[in-house]
Amino acid sequence: GQNIDQPTEMTATEGAIVQINCTYQTSGFNGLFWYQQHAGEAPTFLSYNVLDGLEEKGRFSSFLSRSKGYSYLLLKELQMKDSASYLCAASDSNYQLIWGAGTKLIIKP
Amino acid sequence: GAVVSQHPSRVICKSGTSVKIECRSLDFQATTMFWYRQFPKKSLMLMATSNEGSKATYEQGVEKDKFLINHASLTLSTLTVTSAHPEDSSFYICSARDPQGGEYNEQFFGPGTRLTVL
Repeated sequence: GQNIDQPTEMTATEGAIVQINCTYQTSGFNGLFWYQQHAGEAPTFLSYNVLDGLEEKGRFSSFLSRSKGYSYLLLKELQMKDSASYLCAASDSNYQLIWGAGTKLIIKP
Repeated sequence: GAVVSQHPSRVICKSGTSVKIECRSLDFQATTMFWYRQFPKKSLMLMATSNEGSKATYEQGVEKDKFLINHASLTLSTLTVTSAHPEDSSFYICSARDPQGGEYNEQFFGPGTRLTVL
């Protein structure tokens, strides 16, 4: 079956770095997305990886290892506004997104 | 990026009534839109894929007669929750891909509709 796993909740300190991991199993693979979702709001796109390696975009970076079925989202210089849920989603052979349950990130001062 | 709107943002209705939710792509044409449902502290659950000019494709376990989807134009899809019951209370979100934009073929999400059935 198809499955996405990511931690339920993580806590980090303002100004620090946090890494949110995601493992996936899908029928075929057409890339891995990370979305940010604040409570009561819709998800917003953060990053996309389809090739192995690290994609850097400002304070946020995303890594993919296709052979390991593994990705992570790295957030640097954490700010209070980064408190949100982070959703990992893998695109399968039909370009359908398989969603993880999301990781709630709590930032403490 | 592409903009998707959703209306209404919140709706409260009585049990047994029907509720229509609209999803619009504002600056692009979307041949395909997606309808999701999200329970508190849970991830997105795909309900159906809405295809312009043809029938929607429903996910397993989603009642097509309960959740009516109409994709009448390239910029509008509607979801009608018929004979709503309290267990239908949820956060409903639509999304669309912009075939001309969206560098990564990503989905752009509407702001969501909070449905409460009394």
